Amino acid sequence: DVKVTQSSRYLVKRTGEKVFLECVQDMDHENMFWYRQDPGLGLRLIYFSYDVKMKEKGDIPEGYSVSREKKERFSLILESASTNQTSMYLCASSTAGTGDEKLFFGSGTQLSVL
Amino acid sequence: DQQVKQNSPSLSVQEGRISILNCDYTNSMFDYFLWYKKYPAEGPTFLISISSIKDKNEDGRFTVFLNKSAKHLSLHIVPSQPGDSAVYFCAASAPNAGKSTFGDGTTLTVKP
Repeated sequence: DVKVTQSSRYLVKRTGEKVFLECVQDMDHENMFWYRQDPGLGLRLIYFSYDVKMKEKGDIPEGYSVSREKKERFSLILESASTNQTSMYLCASSTAGTGDEKLFFGSGTQLSVL
Repeated sequence: DQQVKQNSPSLSVQEGRISILNCDYTNSMFDYFLWYKKYPAEGPTFLISISSIKDKNEDGRFTVFLNKSAKHLSLHIVPSQPGDSAVYFCAASAPNAGKSTFGDGTTLTVKP
């Protein structure tokens, strides 16, 4: 089974802190994604990556950056956390070029910014 | 502009009955549609999908119907079970886009 592992289930940070959310997948997937989930707003795409050192902006990239130095790892960075970034963050991965865009998700990180 | 819409935030059905979850899309380039199920404190898991060349796909108790002319798809769960209680997300992707666009989700509650 594909496993997508997010480093933390719960995080509490202060406004202005730099926050790193880590994600690792073990199925050699080319594509990796970061979404956030907020009540009533569904899943919104922050950033995604097709390959190592590649990144593409999603629908809501402002206030975030990403890093993909290795194929299995995709990090989301909040440069200066703000209260409106309190959310559930979900990492996902998928294979490329199959026409089947099925995503495999991690368990999520609930981030609270105080 | 929300390209994938799930207009019903919640749905409640009795155990054993049919659950019908609906999804509408606006982007005519979408050619692949997926449903995901999410329990609290867990990530979404893939449930069922359908390509635009089909109008129906069935997997056990779950069937997805696609009406391309209406830009509408629906997920049918028959019979519904209490364990089906979860948030269901509809998602769509366009060719070579490499990413999916999600709806807001519908919370299904199946009552015993």
